[in-house]
Amino acid sequence: QKEVEQDPGPLSVPEGAIVSLNCTYSNSAFQYFMWYRQYSRKGPELLMYTYSSGNKEDGRFTAQVDKSSKYISLFIRDSQPSDSATYLCAMSATNAGKSTFGDGTTLTVKP
Amino acid sequence: NAGVTQTPKFQVLKTGQSMTLQCAQDMNHNSMYWYRQDPGMGLRLIYYSASEGTTDKGEVPNGYNVSRLNKREFSLRLESAAPSQTSVYFCASKIPSSGANVLTFGAGSRLTVL
Repeated sequence: QKEVEQDPGPLSVPEGAIVSLNCTYSNSAFQYFMWYRQYSRKGPELLMYTYSSGNKEDGRFTAQVDKSSKYISLFIRDSQPSDSATYLCAMSATNAGKSTFGDGTTLTVKP
Repeated sequence: NAGVTQTPKFQVLKTGQSMTLQCAQDMNHNSMYWYRQDPGMGLRLIYYSASEGTTDKGEVPNGYNVSRLNKREFSLRLESAAPSQTSVYFCASKIPSSGANVLTFGAGSRLTVL
């Protein structure tokens, strides 16, 4: 069983929809939780990260961590066609060393 | 400020050939990483280097070698390429002041082994 499982998708939504992207994990040592966005044929780029449990908001994006359930989510409000990409969750136990990535969820936002 | 630069962007090899993927970062980061990305399998860590002069195996190191030439450069070598090594390879470096294990990635190197 993988340490990090990500909803596989693909996901297709109309413009303006609220999108929920989710990952679960099994390693209780994970404390740092990252979300990366990857456009087609590009490298991943960091969207946002959180430490431990709680919510973090950045514009239309909200990252949520529930350590008791070992579950993290990324919410996108008022989704735009430019949000069409693959979203990768990543986690690490410390702020150094290695991150473990989910397999990614591909999102398409239709105009 | 170019960030993380990978060369080549594309390469086709025959089984058994060798090649080296080059990676350089100009951000003075200590830690550097090599990942491979296959369809439906996310990013898998091949090797990483926490600092100049050190390297460690990741999740899928078999068939690869690395060299941390200096603080800027971290190369990945395939000694005898196999079709199973057909993949997109990403080099990354860690942002030290981020407070988390946040990575900056290169644009990727697409390798096909026939």
